[in-house]
Amino acid sequence: NAGVTQTPKFQVLKTGQSMTLQCAQDMNHNSMYWYRQDPGMGLRLIYYSASEGTTDKGEVPNGYNVSRLNKREFSLRLESAAPSQTSVYFCASSVSGRIGELFFGEGSRLTVL
Amino acid sequence: GQQVMQIPQYQHVQEGEDFTTYCNSSTTLSNIQWYKQRPGGHPVFLIQLVKSGEVKKQKRLTFQFGEAKKNSSLHITATQTTDVGTYFCAGQRSNAGNMLTFGGGTRLMVKP
Repeated sequence: NAGVTQTPKFQVLKTGQSMTLQCAQDMNHNSMYWYRQDPGMGLRLIYYSASEGTTDKGEVPNGYNVSRLNKREFSLRLESAAPSQTSVYFCASSVSGRIGELFFGEGSRLTVL
Repeated sequence: GQQVMQIPQYQHVQEGEDFTTYCNSSTTLSNIQWYKQRPGGHPVFLIQLVKSGEVKKQKRLTFQFGEAKKNSSLHITATQTTDVGTYFCAGQRSNAGNMLTFGGGTRLMVKP
């Protein structure tokens, strides 16, 4: 039972570099999410995709782009990384957005120097 | 925008003592969820509350949703070392689509 799989688990970037975080779920869920977690600030929603073919901004979308490649995959791209984007990133999925639990991946720890 | 505040931020207890974390929203919620994150781990869903005044129990954990649907609490009776972790509430507004707003979390530490 893979659930939600994120890659990479760790990444170190230099300021200005770009990278893409990959996320895939095998639960046939409609909705997918990207959160970032910083100490003492809980989880903040970056972008979400309510269903295949749609994406919407969350609380902190600046500096990020997303792609809902298909029903299984939802990627997060940093075009020009900044030190303020150092964080732990979690991908999550849910059956739908209205009511229902989120299933989280194991997280990707990103450090921007 | 919507804010969800959680208190306390940290709590140290002796094993066997009770623990409570409180969650307050600046707006009325359609539902509230609770998650637990073990150190170094990812958040794991515990429960969802939907109805005003709802109370749900899971073994030693009791969850409450306020009458006004703006606050919630998680109470753990007789804590154990396995309860260690950070507990998050997350609220959803009825007109906010898929957006679930998380509180800052309460980190529980249990001394054996």
